[in-house]
Amino acid sequence: DIVMTQSPDSLAVSLGERATINCKSSQSVLYSSNSQNYLAWYQQKPGQPPKLLIYWASTRESGVPDRFSGSGSGADFTLTISSLQAEDVAVYYCQQYYSTPPTFGGGTKVEI
Amino acid sequence: HLQMQESGPGLVKPSETLSLTCTVSDGSISSSHHHWGWVRQSPGKGLEWIGNIYYGGRTFRNPSLKSRVTISVDTSKNQFYLRLSAVTAADTAMYYCARHKEAATGSPFDYWGQGTLVTVSS
Repeated sequence: DIVMTQSPDSLAVSLGERATINCKSSQSVLYSSNSQNYLAWYQQKPGQPPKLLIYWASTRESGVPDRFSGSGSGADFTLTISSLQAEDVAVYYCQQYYSTPPTFGGGTKVEI
Repeated sequence: HLQMQESGPGLVKPSETLSLTCTVSDGSISSSHHHWGWVRQSPGKGLEWIGNIYYGGRTFRNPSLKSRVTISVDTSKNQFYLRLSAVTAADTAMYYCARHKEAATGSPFDYWGQGTLVTVSS
């Protein structure tokens, strides 16, 4: 199985400041035949299921604010919240869907 | 707007079988464009993919659970199901049903149910 490692485990960011979350996979999730990174990011608020934010490492899901962006390739990825809002307090997870089974990172808790 | 809802017993005894139903509304489970899956979340193991099914009945299961997992579908009821046999306390978790964005295990989950908490205890 591909192991997904996120860092940091938690971070506190002031309102309006940038939040950066890292995700590293134990092997590359870049599929050479289509040059796509099989990497997604989710946001989970208390008492709610995960919500898809980003897929293909950098494609924003419909309706997701543009302050959320994803970057990276191969085995190293980053989720950036450019200007943190109060409603962004949540746990964020990365997920690889390059190989079966799909696997998730351990999560990063973002607080104000 | 697609909606998904899990249902089933919240308490299961050790060694027995966990059975859950996912009901899909405002969308067809017979769509050829998606797989339909199960994911669980526990404090100890985080988010874990259990498996998925295509409307035609083909299933894919996590090798770590494969021998204990059965996933099935009833397109006439727009439902799919999870059965997990020989449960132990380690199977205590929030269980989610979720839709793969494409008809492939290699695609992210774009819709999720609210989840149902299953506790394994005597």
